[in-house]
Amino acid sequence: EVQLVESGGGLVQPGGSLRLSCAASGFTFSSYDMHWVRQATGKGLEWVSAIGTAGDPYYPGSVKGRFTISRENAKNSLYLQMNSLRAGDTAVYYCARAYCTNGVCYTYFDYWGQGTLVTVSS
Amino acid sequence: EIVLTQSPATLSLSPGERATLSCRASQSVSSYLAWYQQKPGQAPRLLIYDASNRATGIPARFSGSGSGTDFTLTISSLEPEDFAVYYCQQRSTRAFGQGTRLEIK
Repeated sequence: EVQLVESGGGLVQPGGSLRLSCAASGFTFSSYDMHWVRQATGKGLEWVSAIGTAGDPYYPGSVKGRFTISRENAKNSLYLQMNSLRAGDTAVYYCARAYCTNGVCYTYFDYWGQGTLVTVSS
Repeated sequence: EIVLTQSPATLSLSPGERATLSCRASQSVSSYLAWYQQKPGQAPRLLIYDASNRATGIPARFSGSGSGTDFTLTISSLEPEDFAVYYCQQRSTRAFGQGTRLEIK
């Protein structure tokens, strides 16, 4: 059974840093692109970052230069280092697996964790 | 930047009725569009990918159609567990629509 379990969320002051982790199990982690998606309370979904199987990262403009995605295949783990945090970064952060078939991954998300809440406030 | 606009914002229907949800892209996304369902307190669930392909384990009452800029998610006969928020998402920029809330009438 595919499982994704996020951790590391919490309360942080504006300008602070936080590192999120996602522990994956039930599939060959190294063979999948992985993503972070966030959702502010009562709001919609926003893609935050992606990392390919070769470790290549991708970010939207809203977090580029502040967030860093990484992975450690030996530990089946995904990470998100968040720096220079702002109130607008307050959200539940989901780890999500890319939909892959026949060795090709597409930017759809077929499995999600339950999320970890990040609150940026003084 | 490709913007996805979903309509209506809220849809009120009764169990057994047919639901039709719309997603319009600001420019063509070919058939590279997905639909997700999200229930309160839960993570989203992938329903449809590449506009019309059901994801693993998704009931046949869910179907997707469209290409280019106009897409539709249809639920043929609503079950009580189908009342939720639905999001569309396009593949190239990973952007999501703002969601349609499907509520019980």
